[in-house]
Parts: sequence; C-alpha cells; structure tokens
Amino acid sequence: KNEVEQSPQNLTAQEGEFITINCSYSVGISALHWLQQHPGGGIVSLFMLSSGKKKHGRLIATINIQEKHSSLHITASHPRDSAVYICAAKHNTDKLIFGTGTRLQVFP
Amino acid sequence: DTGVSQDPRHKITKRGQNVTFRCDPISEHNRLYWYRQTLGQGPEFLTYFQNEAQLEKSRLLSDRFSAERPKGSFSTLEIQRTEQGDSAMYLCASSLRSRQLNYGYTFGSGTRLTVV
Repeated sequence: KNEVEQSPQNLTAQEGEFITINCSYSVGISALHWLQQHPGGGIVSLFMLSSGKKKHGRLIATINIQEKHSSLHITASHPRDSAVYICAAKHNTDKLIFGTGTRLQVFP
Repeated sequence: DTGVSQDPRHKITKRGQNVTFRCDPISEHNRLYWYRQTLGQGPEFLTYFQNEAQLEKSRLLSDRFSAERPKGSFSTLEIQRTEQGDSAMYLCASSLRSRQLNYGYTFGSGTRLTVV
C-alpha cells in the first residue's frame, strides 16, 4: 500500500462540472501539497496546507488531519483545467512523498 | 529570478554512457531536491541538499548516481553507466527553510532522459 493514495486515477468531466479529487495518506506529515502537472512535465504548486481550507480562484483544497485525508475541488471546470493533479505529503525533512496522480480531462 | 531552471530539457543517450544534469534553484532558496518520475507514476524522492550539504539520499540512488551542490547554489546530478531503467523525468525543486520560515516549494520543468 502506497503511503499517499489518490482517487480517482482518471477523471473525465464536462465543462462547468464540479470536480473533486481525493487524497489519503498514512504517514505523519507537516503539510500536504496539491500540484498540477501538464504534458511536458512542468509541475506547478497549487496549495500547501497543514489545516483547514484554502481557496484560490476556482480551486479549493481542504485537509482533515485527524482522518489523514485531503480533497481538491475545482468549481466550474474548464478544458484548460485538464492536467494531472498530484497530492504530496511533506515530511518534517521537507521531502515530498507523492501520490500517483489523477488525470483530469475536461471536455467542452 | 526566473524560477528553477533545469538543463538540458531532453537528453537521449546510449546505454553505458554517463550523463550529467544541472539545476539552478531560486537564488534565495537554501534547500534543493532531486526527484525522479517514470511514466504514469508520481515523482519519487532521490536526494536533497541544505546549502552545500547533502542531508538525505534515497535507497533509489544507487552507486551509479551522484549529486553535488558544491557552492550551495546550482546542483548537478550525474548518472554513470546509464541503463534503460534510468529513463525517466528528473525533476529538481527548491525551497527556503529557516527556523521562522518554510516557504516556496518550486519545481523546475525537468530533464527527460531516454536511454537507448
């Protein structure tokens, strides 16, 4: 069993739909990252959170430390949101343990 | 500052050759990390530096792999006697860590290595 697990692995949506990606982790963490990776490899950090909820534009990330669970929500999804979304657990040493990613495709 | 830069973007090499990749972190960041990502998988930790000191190495980093950060700025990752299994995207990231602050985990665009 991986230390960081995401679901679903693949997700297709129609433009405008509300999207949820889930992340569960089994390790002790100091924070959790949500990252976006486009074809070609570049990774962009979306959120780093250690408690509660953060919002940036149409993106919302939540974390429940007791349940070791985090979710990434995308409201009013758009085709440009199509990418791989990765959650990563941050140890106290700052190294990240990554999930395998969720491949999102949003169709017009 | 243009973020974390990696060079080259792509490298194709024959099995058995040595390759070296470079990472230039954000200038004020004191921590630098190397990760490896194979197709369809999330990145895996390889090693990280605080300034010039290499603080942790993954068991994934066999003796054919060596990383340096000689002046606490740019870092190099060398793979000797490459094998086909080394084909992957090699990602570099940097962050600023102090007693008061933990900031700015930023990734480079990666170096894609293909061993033929």
